[in-house]
Amino acid sequence: EPEVTQTPSHQVTQMGQEVILRCVPISNHLYFYWYRQILGQKVEFLVSFYNNEISEKSEIFDDQFSVERPDGSNFTLKIRSTKLEDSAMYFCASRGPGRAVNEQYFGPGTRLTVT
Amino acid sequence: AQSVAQPEDQVNVAEGNPLTVKCTYSVSGNPYLFWYVQYPNRGLQFLLKYITGDNLVKGSYGFEAEFNKSQTSFHLKKPSALVSDSALYFCARMDSSYKLIFGSGTRLLVRP
Repeated sequence: EPEVTQTPSHQVTQMGQEVILRCVPISNHLYFYWYRQILGQKVEFLVSFYNNEISEKSEIFDDQFSVERPDGSNFTLKIRSTKLEDSAMYFCASRGPGRAVNEQYFGPGTRLTVT
Repeated sequence: AQSVAQPEDQVNVAEGNPLTVKCTYSVSGNPYLFWYVQYPNRGLQFLLKYITGDNLVKGSYGFEAEFNKSQTSFHLKKPSALVSDSALYFCARMDSSYKLIFGSGTRLLVRP
């Protein structure tokens, strides 16, 4: 069964550094999402992406964040200058056409630790 | 305003007993509702969804959920719990822009 993959599984970075989190969505999916989960808290929406542009972003998704689909397969989340409070689990999700249009498939997540 | 609520932080049940994990929603109209499960150090796995039709929805691993419009609830149930069901369960609603809005999660602990 096709699945969403994410790399790396764990990223440790120093405050102020840039990080790029990578996702490979399911190949025929058209809609892409990033969510985050601060340890012990609920999963929060960050951004949605369709047709090479942001569809919607939350108030968390400030100017430090950006997303890109550079090559038609990867979907990346960049944090330009990380803060301690960016430490969280980041999940990528994708959604396809057809019968499963309202199902989002999640990757295993990247745990980001900012020190 | 919280549109999906999971009132229990943790649910404890003995193996073989029925389990219920509660979820209520507070949105008008016909909501799209989902349950996801998160095992330790893993991503979110889709369990089941309610979009329209039969109020009783059956999903993966023997789980089911009942959409109750009058009580604005979508409780997750399983007739006989397994120790391997121990995990974090999230109820979610899909809004008009197709993003998911999650509840706070309920930790299910099934003891042998």
